[in-house]
Amino acid sequence: GNSVTQMEGPVTLSEEAFLTINCTYTATGYPSLFWYVQYPGEGLQLLLKATKADDKGSNKGFEATYRKETTSFHLEKGSVQVSDSAVYFCALSDQIGADGLTFGKGTHLIIQP
Amino acid sequence: SAVISQKPSRDICQRGTSLTIQCQVDSQVTMMFWYRQQPGQSLTLIATANQGSEATYESGFVIDKFPISRPNLTFSTLTVSNMSPEDSSIYLCSFSTGTGAFFGQGTRLTVV
Repeated sequence: GNSVTQMEGPVTLSEEAFLTINCTYTATGYPSLFWYVQYPGEGLQLLLKATKADDKGSNKGFEATYRKETTSFHLEKGSVQVSDSAVYFCALSDQIGADGLTFGKGTHLIIQP
Repeated sequence: SAVISQKPSRDICQRGTSLTIQCQVDSQVTMMFWYRQQPGQSLTLIATANQGSEATYESGFVIDKFPISRPNLTFSTLTVSNMSPEDSSIYLCSFSTGTGAFFGQGTRLTVV
């Protein structure tokens, strides 16, 4: 079956640091890949997505590239802010719009001023 | 984009009782999904609910424990039956479109 593995947290960084949160996946076929974010006290929000190999998803300064050869979808941001403190989930879907998601365990990111 | 609302937002229940969680979307969607997030864990898909047919359950989840209704294209309910403390979790409903999946705010359930 499908699975998603992401780095465990918490990850603590200083403001303006470079961020990478690793995510690798196991799936049959060609899944769609997602990053979701959960800010304190809020619901789960879609941050970015990629639907095929070599696609780059981006939003709010975050980027992730669908790497089929390494089955990875690492999340990056060049300069983090305190407001980026949240839990980040990597996820995949066999068929976007039709299937449920398989989630990683989530990474708690803490940005210190 | 469509708005998805879920209620109750939280509840504390006695073991052996049942709780029904409601999920309302402000536009018609074909498929709705129910997830569980146990404390400190990731989200796990419970079942997929299509209007007019029985829900499809994932491995480890059964209809007797988590009956689901989907009476129309904007509404679904999940019941957590005969609850035990192990059922204490956040339960979330979701729908998917071609751009991704969208989630309700979740129901935080504590079983005592």
